[in-house]
Amino acid sequence: AQTVTQSQPEMSVQEAETVTLSCTYDTSESNYYLFWYKQPPSRQMILVIRQEAYKQQNATENRFSVNFQKAAKSFSLKISDSQLGDTAMYFCAFMSRLGTGANNLFFGTGTRLTVIP
Amino acid sequence: NAGVTQTPKFQVLKTGQSMTLQCAQDMNHNSMYWYRQDPGMGLRLIYYSASEGTTDKGEVPNGYNVSRLNKREFSLRLESAAPSQTSVYFCASSEGGFSYNEQFFGPGTRLTVL
Repeated sequence: AQTVTQSQPEMSVQEAETVTLSCTYDTSESNYYLFWYKQPPSRQMILVIRQEAYKQQNATENRFSVNFQKAAKSFSLKISDSQLGDTAMYFCAFMSRLGTGANNLFFGTGTRLTVIP
Repeated sequence: NAGVTQTPKFQVLKTGQSMTLQCAQDMNHNSMYWYRQDPGMGLRLIYYSASEGTTDKGEVPNGYNVSRLNKREFSLRLESAAPSQTSVYFCASSEGGFSYNEQFFGPGTRLTVL
């Protein structure tokens, strides 16, 4: 079974600074996808960034980047130049393929990030 | 495009009452999903539909039923609500097929069972 662990329940960062959110996972699969989702107070789940396990290069999306360490099963999210709008709950998720052609997302318990003005 | 829509946004039920949560997507996606989110936890899969006409159980299916009405719509039914089903429910959809496709989420339904 897949498990996703986020060991930081809450974090805070000063506006314009950089913060890193940690995530580890456990799986026996060799090919998979990992995701970071953002959930602001509106509850909407918003995809932040995606990483394919077979790609060694770390994914980047503007101010967001990941540090993917496949052997260590680690997938951290770095937010640079933090903005007030980054305040949200952040979930790490592992995508597992279901046999019928759909996919299941296994989520961690989340990290609540607060950006301080 | 509206993406994934859910109705209602909020609902309060008494123990034993029944209700149906509605979900629709306008992205022509094949696969649809229902998740629940409990306090302090991530989302967990209740049921999914890989394609029109098929449904399967996820991690936490007990107490729920689903219907894939057509390609656009996927409903979740609580036949006899229990306080343990108090949660936020999310519908999602993806292109499906044998690849890792992004899932797009609806805005969620907050359900309280008294």
